[in-house]
Amino acid sequence: EVRVLESGGGLVQPGGSLRLSCEASEFTYSIFFMNWVRQAPGKGLEWVSTITGSGGATYYADSVKGRFTISRDNSNNTLFLQMNDLRAEDTAVYYCVKSRGFHGRNPFHIWGQGTMLTVSS
Amino acid sequence: EIVMTQSPATLPVSPGEGATLSCRASQNINNNLAWYQQKPGQAPRLLIYDISTRAAGIPTRFSGSGSGTEFTLTINSPQSEDYAVYYCQQYSTWPPYTFGQGTKLEI
Repeated sequence: EVRVLESGGGLVQPGGSLRLSCEASEFTYSIFFMNWVRQAPGKGLEWVSTITGSGGATYYADSVKGRFTISRDNSNNTLFLQMNDLRAEDTAVYYCVKSRGFHGRNPFHIWGQGTMLTVSS
Repeated sequence: EIVMTQSPATLPVSPGEGATLSCRASQNINNNLAWYQQKPGQAPRLLIYDISTRAAGIPTRFSGSGSGTEFTLTINSPQSEDYAVYYCQQYSTWPPYTFGQGTKLEI
């Protein structure tokens, strides 16, 4: 079964940093675009970041640009999201999501169960 | 940025009645439109992509239609397990990928 599984969420003070991880299994990881999507408590879905299969190109929402960095380790089928200068408005469940294909015009196919980030003093 | 607008915000439907959810894009997104279902406490699940193609394992009572900027998700005879929040998303012009604000299907 194709799966992605996030880890690394927690409670962080404003201005702090955290790195989320996502382990992928049962698919040819290195050819697929991967994404992070977040959902603030009681709110809708917000795209955060995307990385190409090779890791050669990355894309960010304006709300996180310059603070978050997406990366991937294709040898270990793992996706990361390094989050710096965290703010209260970053509080959300963060989902790791596999795109359906290996280019950007694809829907978000496989979702992890999510990991919760709370930014609070 | 393409803005996705869903209506209504909440849709009361009795079991067995049809449900029609709408999604409008602020500009032409061709066929690059998906629908997701999210139940309380769960991750979203891809239901339909490319306007009308059901994802694997999705029941045939779910169908998508539309073109250009106007799209519809239809649920024929909703079952109890279908009561959830539904989001549309465009993946035509990105970044950013954008979602609608969601429609809650309720009894």
